[in-house]
Amino acid sequence: GENVEQHPSTLSVQEGDSAVIKCTYSDSASNYFPWYKQELGKRPQLIIDIRSNVGEKKDQRIAVTLNKTAKHFSLHITETQPEDSAVYFCYSWGKLQFGAGTQVVVTP
Amino acid sequence: EPEVTQTPSHQVTQMGQEVILRCVPISNHLYFYWYRQILGQKVEFLVSFYNNEISEKSEIFDDQFSVERPDGSNFTLKIRSTKLEDSAMYFCASNPAGVGGYEQYFGPGTRLTVT
Repeated sequence: GENVEQHPSTLSVQEGDSAVIKCTYSDSASNYFPWYKQELGKRPQLIIDIRSNVGEKKDQRIAVTLNKTAKHFSLHITETQPEDSAVYFCYSWGKLQFGAGTQVVVTP
Repeated sequence: EPEVTQTPSHQVTQMGQEVILRCVPISNHLYFYWYRQILGQKVEFLVSFYNNEISEKSEIFDDQFSVERPDGSNFTLKIRSTKLEDSAMYFCASNPAGVGGYEQYFGPGTRLTVT
């Protein structure tokens, strides 16, 4: 089965609202948790990452939270803007595996 | 800022032909990767390469695939006999070794179309 599960697969939000995407992983050895943003036809771009020794990291409107006990980590985007529209992928370093992706659509 | 580069940007080939996709990782990086992304799907891991040998590979990376670092700068992916289902975007990535070495830097991709 999948080593990393990502939900939801699509997310539509009004501009200014928040978006949350969650990934659950199975590899206990994972200790690095990045999130990538991919715009249509472009390469994945790292937007934020977290290591296992911290529970939360924030960079302006983007934050990542990690719950190692429950084996999940989440991407939080606040005050969403139309340019946040893209596909977002989590990544499980232990298995070198991307999540299935979340298509985020921010409507003005 | 240094970047991973890939050539060609688009490759069209006929089924059964061999293709070589080329990547130039960032110069001081020691780990190299190939991923593929079929249109509309997720990015899938193919292979990782370190110290001139494959360190991990996925089920996708069968005998039709091979990787090579022919010189100090290039990192190539060869598909021996292409199939229609090999049509995808292929991304190369690299990252440095060491404690802070997890972040993978992706190239712009090569779109492979098999007809």
